[in-house]
Amino acid sequence: DAGVTQSPTHLIKTRGQQVTLRCSPKSGHDTVSWYQQALGQGPQFIFQYYEEEERQRGNFPDRFSGHQFPNYSSELNVNALLLGDSALYLCASSSTSGSWNEQFFGPGTRLTVL
Amino acid sequence: AQSVAQPEDQVNVAEGNPLTVKCTYSVSGNPYLFWYVQYPNRGLQFLLKYITGDNLVKGSYGFEAEFNKSQTSFHLKKPSALVSDSALYFCAVRERGATNKLIFGTGTLLAVQP
Repeated sequence: DAGVTQSPTHLIKTRGQQVTLRCSPKSGHDTVSWYQQALGQGPQFIFQYYEEEERQRGNFPDRFSGHQFPNYSSELNVNALLLGDSALYLCASSSTSGSWNEQFFGPGTRLTVL
Repeated sequence: AQSVAQPEDQVNVAEGNPLTVKCTYSVSGNPYLFWYVQYPNRGLQFLLKYITGDNLVKGSYGFEAEFNKSQTSFHLKKPSALVSDSALYFCAVRERGATNKLIFGTGTLLAVQP
């Protein structure tokens, strides 16, 4: 059983560009959350998708947007990249069934903005 | 607002000695608390959780954590440290509400010397 997968593993962009990161959830999971982990910091919640809709959003600007597909996979899009967007982006999946819906994390995509 | 604090940026311990990584929390109501570990260039791996019940929680790789409601703490412990335990450890609290959003501390780097 494959766990949470993310692509690409690394990405280098320049300021002002746009980027798309992808996530495939663990088999049986229907909910995807995205977190940003800046260097030396803990992960910060960006947003969560369930049933192809954004269910909750953290304190991130509208430049950050997402999408969830019918197969539960998800994309994170960031427009007009800033140097401060350089970070490890983590995807976590969970299932709405179960008593406390534990989140399983992927290996992350490391984004560098030059 | 819910929050988690990890007061130590780094903990150094000799192999074979007991280790403690500290975490305190601030929540309204009963907390759902978690510990995750992150190895270099890897995502987060779940170690253990406290939802309810016994204050001493046992988790993966011989780790355990003690929930102390009066001190609002959830310290991670292991009786005998291994060099392979060297990694970045994050304490997290699950935000109350419809989603399972996690709020993370800033992390503690555990260095186990041979």
